[in-house]
Amino acid sequence: EAGVAQSPRYKIIEKRQSVAFWCNPISGHATLYWYQQILGQGPKLLIQFQNNGVVDDSQLPKDRFSAERLKGVDSTLKIQPAKLEDSAVYLCASSLDRETDTQYFGPGTRLTVL
Amino acid sequence: SQQGEEDPQALSIQEGENATMNCSYKTSINNLQWYRQNSGRGLVHLILIRSNEREKHSGRLRVTLDTSKKSSSLLITASRAADTASYFCATDPIQGAQKLVFGQGTRLTINP
Repeated sequence: EAGVAQSPRYKIIEKRQSVAFWCNPISGHATLYWYQQILGQGPKLLIQFQNNGVVDDSQLPKDRFSAERLKGVDSTLKIQPAKLEDSAVYLCASSLDRETDTQYFGPGTRLTVL
Repeated sequence: SQQGEEDPQALSIQEGENATMNCSYKTSINNLQWYRQNSGRGLVHLILIRSNEREKHSGRLRVTLDTSKKSSSLLITASRAADTASYFCATDPIQGAQKLVFGQGTRLTINP
């Protein structure tokens, strides 16, 4: 079974630039999560999708962050414009459904904002 | 917001010794999970313990849960160099839409 795929693995941008991350969850997983993990901290949930609908985006900085999952499969997370404090690893995870307890994580995208 | 507080923040032991990490949380939960993260990699699910369970084993892992104290511990027995990683507890709160709330993690180093 293929795992959660993410790209790119690394990205370096200047502040005020835009960036987008892509995630392909495990086939058949209805629930998709985006987390932000700042160095030395645990992952913080940004947004949770159930199929193509948003379940929870209460911690997403909506003035600069956006995410979509148009066909209920792949998802993209965008930052526009980026700030220095956005430097972090962005992790995508998926689970079979909202009731399933185990989440499967991708390798993450490490973003550096200069 | 992060609910879990892990203790210690960092732990360094010799190969073959046992490693114990603790996690405390604030609100009532459905279950508590432990994840491992190797440097620069994604998180891997290790074990889940439900709120009505007190202890669970999986291979060299032993997890306890005390809901009255809102705390959990992860014991890794007979540690190996490959166990070097960060370990995170994550709670599934009864209240709220968020499925998992992660702690800050414990950085475990196994010295050969």
